[in-house]
Formats: sequence, C-alpha cells, structure tokens
Amino acid sequence: AQKITQTQPGMFVQEKEAVTLDCTYDTSDPSYGLFWYKQPSSGEMIFLIYQGSYDQQNATEGRYSLNFQKARKSANLVISASQLGDSAMYFCAMREAGRRALTFGSGTRLQVQP
Amino acid sequence: SQTIHQWPATLVQPVGSPLSLECTVEGTSNPNLYWYRQAAGRGLQLLFYSVGIGQISSEVPQNLSASRPQDRQFILSSKKLLLSDSGFYLCAWSAVRGTGNTIYFGEGSWLTVV
Repeated sequence: AQKITQTQPGMFVQEKEAVTLDCTYDTSDPSYGLFWYKQPSSGEMIFLIYQGSYDQQNATEGRYSLNFQKARKSANLVISASQLGDSAMYFCAMREAGRRALTFGSGTRLQVQP
Repeated sequence: SQTIHQWPATLVQPVGSPLSLECTVEGTSNPNLYWYRQAAGRGLQLLFYSVGIGQISSEVPQNLSASRPQDRQFILSSKKLLLSDSGFYLCAWSAVRGTGNTIYFGEGSWLTVV
C-alpha cells in the first residue's frame, strides 16, 4: 500500500491566489513527522514545512501552511498569495518513528499563471 | 551553518563503465546520510542510508553500492553501470534522532547512461 499519496499530478493557480496541494498518508505508528518539499526545475529539493503527529496546531512558515487533519490522515499544503516563483514540483513526505529515512509521494506539479 | 555538496552535477557514462558520486556535509557531526534516486517525473526512492562510518543500510537491491569512509563523506558507486541506472541522484543528511529532524538535500547529480 502507498504510504504517501498525492492525487494531483498537476495544478494551475493564478498569481496572487491561494492553492491547496493534497497529501494523504498511511501509517500505524502513532509517532511520525510530515514534510513538504519544493523541487524547482534546477532539481534541488527545498524543505518547506514540517508537522509532527503530536503537534496540536497546524504548522505555518511564511506563505506556507499545513492543514493537518489527523483523523483523516491528510496533510495538505496551502500556499497563500501564489507567486510565479512558486511554479515547481511539490513533494509530501513522511518519517515514521521506527525509520530514519523519509518516504515520498509522487509529487504535484504546480504552475502559477500570471 | 550546515551545508551539503555533491558532485559531479552532471555525468554521461557508457553502459558497463564505473560510477562514483561523492557527497560531503559541513557544519555538523555524526549526521545520518542518505542517497536517493529520482527517475524522470517520479518521486524519490531511498537507495542507501548510513548512521555512522562504515555503517550502510541498503533499501533496494540493485547494481549500486555506497560507502562512508569518513564521518561527513558519503559515496555512491557502481562497478558496471546499466541503462536503468540513469536518473537524478540526491545526497541528503539529517541530525541523528527524532521524527522531526529535517532531511536536507544536496544539489543533485544527473546521471545519463548511454
């Protein structure tokens, strides 16, 4: 079974609007962390935001926020006020307590239109 | 601050030739180190991770091997490359413990086997 599922292969958004990128996960471990990374065309993977399974509040980092719904096992990324430079691939990832490495979803390609 | 570098950035190698990709981390001690591979248009697949010098765990049986000769050096190798080894290879590091320890990636290496 897929550990991380990103159901949107591609998304379009108008500049200055908000966009939500979906991510659902599957784990039986009560302790885990959820991450979002941005990958521009240059290829580097840029860390955006982190949410711990025991965190009571949704994580926020500037224009990025994570809509964490634990019962539904979803960790959607919300980007507010989209900019042209936000155009990139976005990956959701999870680390379970018993593992050292991250498991990644297949990614969502976001294109911001002027 | 911590930095991670990997090289070469781009590599075109014939089938059957050897491979060596190198990665170094600065500004931290005893990091966890990782090699990931990303096929075109896909998510990241963990290849190897290391928790210390000489300690390598392989996630996927394959034509590649990894070594960690020094605390902050991680090397990905192959004796004879296959066409299927083509892809984007990313080295990464994280602090030792905790689900919240972010994994930070290097710039990546594009490998084309011809």
